[in-house]
Amino acid sequence: AQKITQTQPGMFVQEKEAVTLDCTYDTSDQSYGLFWYKQPSSGEMIFLIYQGSYDEQNATEGRYSLNFQKARKSANLVISASQLGDSAMYFCAMRETLQGAQKLVFGQGTRLTINP
Amino acid sequence: GAGVSQSPSNKVTEKGKDVELRCDPISGHTALYWYRQRLGQGLEFLIYFQGNSAPDKSGLPSDRFSAERTGESVSTLTIQRTQQEDSAVYLCASSLIRFRGTRSANEQFFGPGTRLTVL
Repeated sequence: AQKITQTQPGMFVQEKEAVTLDCTYDTSDQSYGLFWYKQPSSGEMIFLIYQGSYDEQNATEGRYSLNFQKARKSANLVISASQLGDSAMYFCAMRETLQGAQKLVFGQGTRLTINP
Repeated sequence: GAGVSQSPSNKVTEKGKDVELRCDPISGHTALYWYRQRLGQGLEFLIYFQGNSAPDKSGLPSDRFSAERTGESVSTLTIQRTQQEDSAVYLCASSLIRFRGTRSANEQFFGPGTRLTVL
């Protein structure tokens, strides 16, 4: 069963605009972690932001924030003031434990293109 | 310090041959993971190692796939009798396991990957 759903295969945004990348997840666990990774055309996977299932506040890291709506099982990534260098694939992932070592389950990704 | 390294960066092989892919994790990281990424797809989990615990092999697609890890260092992913559907980028990741409340991301740091092409 698919556990991470990213419904936007591609997004096109003007530079300096904010963008929201959607992610919904499915789990019966109460303890889990949600991640966003960026994959530029070079292929490297870059960790952006993390949200634990018990965290009451939305995670923020610089221009990145995670809009966590637990009841809706959504964990959308918001990028403020987009830059040309933000053009990349973005993957949402879930770890079905709060801490420790455990595999990540990834969505299919969203390709974000920032237009000048 | 150095990040996760993988070798080779590219591997082209003929169908039916065996291949070995190597991963050097970040020093001190006790957890090591292998993923596969087919063209235009998300990452598929293959296997992970955590300290001295038995590895989680639940993602290995067939018995042609196996992996080993020497202590808390190098890991080798072996694919026997390669098939064309094995063509993909194989990504290795490592993480430092910390337990510091719910804010412990224990995020995985990824290597650059090995691009495997089976002709």
